[in-house]
Amino acid sequence: ELKVEQNPLFLSMQEGKNYTIYCNYSTTSDRLYWYRQDPGKSLESLFVLLSNGAVKQEGRLMASLDTKARLSTLHITAAVHDLSATYFCAVDLTTTSGTYKYIFGTGTRLKVLA
Amino acid sequence: EAGVTQFPSHSVIEKGQTVTLRCDPISGHDNLYWYRRVMGKEIKFLLHFVKESKQDESGMPNNRFLAERTGGTYSTLKVQPAELEDSGVYFCASSPLAGINNEQFFGPGTRLTVL
Repeated sequence: ELKVEQNPLFLSMQEGKNYTIYCNYSTTSDRLYWYRQDPGKSLESLFVLLSNGAVKQEGRLMASLDTKARLSTLHITAAVHDLSATYFCAVDLTTTSGTYKYIFGTGTRLKVLA
Repeated sequence: EAGVTQFPSHSVIEKGQTVTLRCDPISGHDNLYWYRRVMGKEIKFLLHFVKESKQDESGMPNNRFLAERTGGTYSTLKVQPAELEDSGVYFCASSPLAGINNEQFFGPGTRLTVL
């Protein structure tokens, strides 16, 4: 069974600091997704990583994918309060019937302190 | 373009009652998914529709859950009778049939509380 482990579960950090969220998964997959969720809101797509070595950046967030290590990272640079949210990684699993579904990590609740 | 919408946003019911959740996907998206997040746990897949057909319902917890997508547009997820352990947030997502990267677009979720 595919497992996706995300850590840390909770992260409290000061504004201006850097930090990395890790997402490990247990089986082969070439596609990994990062989402952000604000309380009561939709999961907002942040990054779609489609191949080994993929790196994408948007503002203070940068995501990377190492399919050989089965690891993705979400790096936060110089955090600001607006980044406070819950972040999820998800791995795309193709089923034997040819359909696909996401397997999610547990989420990382990030709180950036002023 | 309107995103995925879900109704209601919150539902509080008593054990043994019936609740029906609705999801309207993005117009033109043939793939529709239901997921659930129970308190403190990860978001888990429930089932996947392609148009009106159930492609994969391996994540449905038991036969108290019934999902439908008549006409291939909106979908409903009925829980009957509801139990305490059904409490959680139910998310719906959609994607186009020929999406190049399998990216799914999520609704805001319905928070279900069973007392």
